[in-house]
Amino acid sequence: QKEVEQNSGPLSVPEGAIASLNCTYSDRGSQSFFWYRQYSGKSPELIMSIYSNGDKEDGRFTAQLNKASQYVSLLIRDSQPSDSATYLCASPGRLARDDKIIFGKGTRLHILP
Amino acid sequence: DTGVSQDPRHKITKRGQNVTFRCDPISEHNRLYWYRQTLGQGPEFLTYFQNEAQLEKSRLLSDRFSAERPKGSFSTLEIQRTEQGDSAMYLCASSFSREAFFGQGTRLTVV
Repeated sequence: QKEVEQNSGPLSVPEGAIASLNCTYSDRGSQSFFWYRQYSGKSPELIMSIYSNGDKEDGRFTAQLNKASQYVSLLIRDSQPSDSATYLCASPGRLARDDKIIFGKGTRLHILP
Repeated sequence: DTGVSQDPRHKITKRGQNVTFRCDPISEHNRLYWYRQTLGQGPEFLTYFQNEAQLEKSRLLSDRFSAERPKGSFSTLEIQRTEQGDSAMYLCASSFSREAFFGQGTRLTVV
């Protein structure tokens, strides 16, 4: 049974600082990884996807993937109070086109004004 | 609206009753997922479809749960003889190749 693990938090970060969120996965064959943001009472919203080793940047967000160590991270630069949410890591596992997407339990992020 | 649509948004039902939820995916998306989420947990996989074919159903899912996707378009999730433990947010997502996009969810309360 493949798993995606996250620290549940809460992670408290001062406004303007860098928030670092981490995720580990058990399926060494996993090829794709997604980060979703979920505000309280709302559904998850896709914010980043990453498929190859290294960094991928999109605005204030940077996703990092290290397949050898089986971890993926999300960095949020210049953190804003509006970034306070739960961040979910997800992966479809070995075959991106033929396998279900599994989610971690999420990390609660709290940006301190 | 070109997003994933779920109906109803909220459902309150008495224990023992049957409920059915509907999901309309993004039109060109061939894959459709159902998840259940409770407070403080990540989305828990229930089942998913590739077009009209149901590819997998979670082993954690009892026989009271059934899902269909006739003609590979919208999908329905039915829960028979609801129990209080079924109270949760039921999420539908759709994808074309990799990334999945979620609907607003249906919040079920069993009283």
